[in-house]
Amino acid sequence: SSELTQDPAVSVALGQTVRITCQGDSLRSYYATWYQQKPGQAPVLVIYGKNNRPSGIPDRFSGSTSGNTASLTITGAQAEDEADYYCNSRDSSGDHKVFGTGTKVTVL
Amino acid sequence: QVQLQESGPGLVKPSQTLSLTCTVSGGSISSGDYYWSWIRQPPGKGLEWIGYIYYSGSTYYNPSLKSRVTISVDTSKNQFSLKLSSVTAADTAVYYCAREGAYYGSGSYYWFDPWGQGTLVTVSS
Repeated sequence: SSELTQDPAVSVALGQTVRITCQGDSLRSYYATWYQQKPGQAPVLVIYGKNNRPSGIPDRFSGSTSGNTASLTITGAQAEDEADYYCNSRDSSGDHKVFGTGTKVTVL
Repeated sequence: QVQLQESGPGLVKPSQTLSLTCTVSGGSISSGDYYWSWIRQPPGKGLEWIGYIYYSGSTYYNPSLKSRVTISVDTSKNQFSLKLSSVTAADTAVYYCAREGAYYGSGSYYWFDPWGQGTLVTVSS
């Protein structure tokens, strides 16, 4: 079974840029999808596919992939971006889905 | 706008079977465009995909839970359900239902959207 590894926590100054990474072998075959989760709430889809944002997601969120690493970049982080972020993809060996370990983003 | 809502007991005894239902509104499970998934999150921990069902009844489960999981669908009620047998305290979690989409191409990808609000199930005697 594939694993998706994320840094446990990152911090960013208000208005600055932060990049969250997700590493895993399955990312060589499938794009990652990214979710934002605030305390006590369900996850919300923020990036899917190569770099697609659902309606209502600010354009300061963007995604990219290189090799076995997917990245979520927040350009000009806002206080409301403070949350946990999870990547997600399909396992390389079957149709089951896997989530990353999660990254807590703190906006200073 | 599609919405999902989980329902079921919030407390289950060890060794018993956890049963939850997800009711879909604003769209039809039978449209065939999506899969319908269950995902869980233990308190303070990360997300774990449990499995999905297609409107036809075909399923796919997380190998780590496959022996204990059954997902079923009732298209007449626009609902799908989760059963997890032989539960232990490790199964205590917030359980979410979600619509799963998929794109198959030169770069395939999958997404969960929308999600239900989640329901906490505690396994305790």
